[in-house]
Amino acid sequence: DTGVSQDPRHKITKRGQNVTFRCDPISEHNRLYWYRQTLGQGPEFLTYFQNEAQLEKSRLLSDRFSAERPKGSFSTLEIQRTEQGDSAMYLCASSLVQQYNEQFFGPGTRLTVL
Amino acid sequence: DAKTTQPTSMDCAEGRAANLPCNHSTISGNEYVYWYRQIHSQGPQYIIHGLKNNETNEMASLIITEDRKSSTLILPHATLRDTAVYYCIVRVLNNAGNMLTFGGGTRLMVKP
Repeated sequence: DTGVSQDPRHKITKRGQNVTFRCDPISEHNRLYWYRQTLGQGPEFLTYFQNEAQLEKSRLLSDRFSAERPKGSFSTLEIQRTEQGDSAMYLCASSLVQQYNEQFFGPGTRLTVL
Repeated sequence: DAKTTQPTSMDCAEGRAANLPCNHSTISGNEYVYWYRQIHSQGPQYIIHGLKNNETNEMASLIITEDRKSSTLILPHATLRDTAVYYCIVRVLNNAGNMLTFGGGTRLMVKP
């Protein structure tokens, strides 16, 4: 399968713990996006990378959130000191710059904070 | 990016055409209309996009009104697997991030 993959698919954690999610984009896609989706809502943009550079962050991305894409390939999203309000589906997408920015989404990581 | 308005939900009989409307009355001349859908427990999936002209691909057709203030996504022969939330998004394409701004979408239920 050459699509976007995310790991883990599900994560249950206790409030106050740190969690890290991984996203592997489609090979050679130079843009990578993170979105968050709560129940019954559409996805909301968090941040995006072009190659290894993080070019934009949403105001939704509090200082407890950090994302990296160290070699311009896979990316990680870490949430420190999780809160119950962080419970959501975290979606990763990738795209090429040259195309009409069609974004290909992964299956998401569902986080539950107890 | 311009805001969009979509009905919250729609039903469609299997095998019939599903016509999903979207209002984007404040769209600018350089904004494209994009459609994505999200099947339960999956990430969103790109369907189609257009600027002015009607577009068709293997998944759907996109009809954009002449004034570009509204559009309709048409699934010509809906199947049960087309049951999903459909998002209409308008966006400028430039060298910036081009992140997607999702609204609430239309929940399409295809019934046997």
